Amino acid sequence: SQQGEEDPQALSIQEGENATMNCSYKTSINNLQWYRQNSGRGLVHLILIRSNEREKHSGRLRVTLDTSKKSSSLLITASRAADTASYFCATVSTDSWGKFQFGAGTQVVVTP
Amino acid sequence: EPEVTQTPSHQVTQMGQEVILRCVPISNHLYFYWYRQILGQKVEFLVSFYNNEISEKSEIFDDQFSVERPDGSNFTLKIRSTKLEDSAMYFCASRSSGGSYNEQFFGPGTRLTVL
Repeated sequence: SQQGEEDPQALSIQEGENATMNCSYKTSINNLQWYRQNSGRGLVHLILIRSNEREKHSGRLRVTLDTSKKSSSLLITASRAADTASYFCATVSTDSWGKFQFGAGTQVVVTP
Repeated sequence: EPEVTQTPSHQVTQMGQEVILRCVPISNHLYFYWYRQILGQKVEFLVSFYNNEISEKSEIFDDQFSVERPDGSNFTLKIRSTKLEDSAMYFCASRSSGGSYNEQFFGPGTRLTVL
């Protein structure tokens, strides 16, 4: 698999439910970041978690990082229809100039 | 709040033509990047730029591509002879110094359509 692979590829939930998606990566990283993209639009930064952090919260978002398993999860609590978007994780390897490697993303659909 | 801007938002060109995509990074940032996203696919790294030179580039970034920071504010991506497969969304990003721990700020993208 490639660096920054998310699963599931698609997620369909009802408003009010939680959405959880996972990201796995292969190399040693400096940090991992989650982005959101509405269809055909730009990338919106959600949250950054550094390699020495295990969990981070921002509003309804909760991100975990397990460097031993090279994986991260993004939890969106109490989802809203406006959360419908694609979510990508992006990793920055320790041997890079800060370039991102993105996964294929999880497409989340929240129905009212 | 400072932001990365890109122009144009949409560029349509004929195959074989040259295009220049423009980006204005956040003013005190030092590291600049171009990425592209072919429709329905993931975002791919093209090139990183620091201290007026390319610091890293991907296999995609061949001789048809070049980047330039012609003045203190703009950061451009030139495609010399566009191909159909260059049709994609192109994103510019920048970040401040302080190691690669910092957040990259992305522009809204330029949608390039090659006919």
